[in-house]
Amino acid sequence: TQLLEQSPQFLSIQEGENLTVYCNSSSVFSSLQWYRQEPGEGPVLLVTVVTGGEVKKLKRLTFQFGDARKDSSLHITAAQTGDTGLYLCAGGAYNTDKLIFGTGTRLQVFP
Amino acid sequence: SAVISQKPSRDICQRGTSLTIQCQVDSQVTMMFWYRQQPGQSLTLIATANQGSEATYESGFVIDKFPISRPNLTFSTLTVSNMSPEDSSIYLCSVSTLGAQETQYFGPGTRLLVL
Repeated sequence: TQLLEQSPQFLSIQEGENLTVYCNSSSVFSSLQWYRQEPGEGPVLLVTVVTGGEVKKLKRLTFQFGDARKDSSLHITAAQTGDTGLYLCAGGAYNTDKLIFGTGTRLQVFP
Repeated sequence: SAVISQKPSRDICQRGTSLTIQCQVDSQVTMMFWYRQQPGQSLTLIATANQGSEATYESGFVIDKFPISRPNLTFSTLTVSNMSPEDSSIYLCSVSTLGAQETQYFGPGTRLLVL
């Protein structure tokens, strides 16, 4: 069974701080997605990475896919209250169209 | 990306009854999926909705409890049958398109409370 463990599970920080969320597995994935979900809404796609070692930047968010395609990280610089939400990583399984979702990281940013 | 809507957005149901959730997409898509998200938890895949044939269910989910239809490339339904309080959850549909199968887009979810 493929599992994606995220750490930390909960994170509570002040506005302006930096943070990193990790997504780890013993399995290899064809791709890795990051989603953010706010209360009462469905997950919203932030980024898809498909190449081992790939780094993508989206304004204050930096995403990295591990060289071995087993792990990923999300770094947020100068967090804002609007970054509050549930962050989910999801790995694409080879030879299927299915995604394996991580355990989730709940981020709360206080003003 | 596709725009996905779900009906109802929320419902409160009595145990033993059934509820059908609809998922409508504004464009033709290749794949449609149904997930369950229990309060404070991550997403668990229930099944892949196949157009014109029976859905493909994940381990722990069966057709008698979660019948799924997908009559065309833009619409699918999930029924939660003979509900119990343990079925209280958020039910989400997602879609992916040909050429970008690794990326899924989600609907807003249906919040179900079973009393």
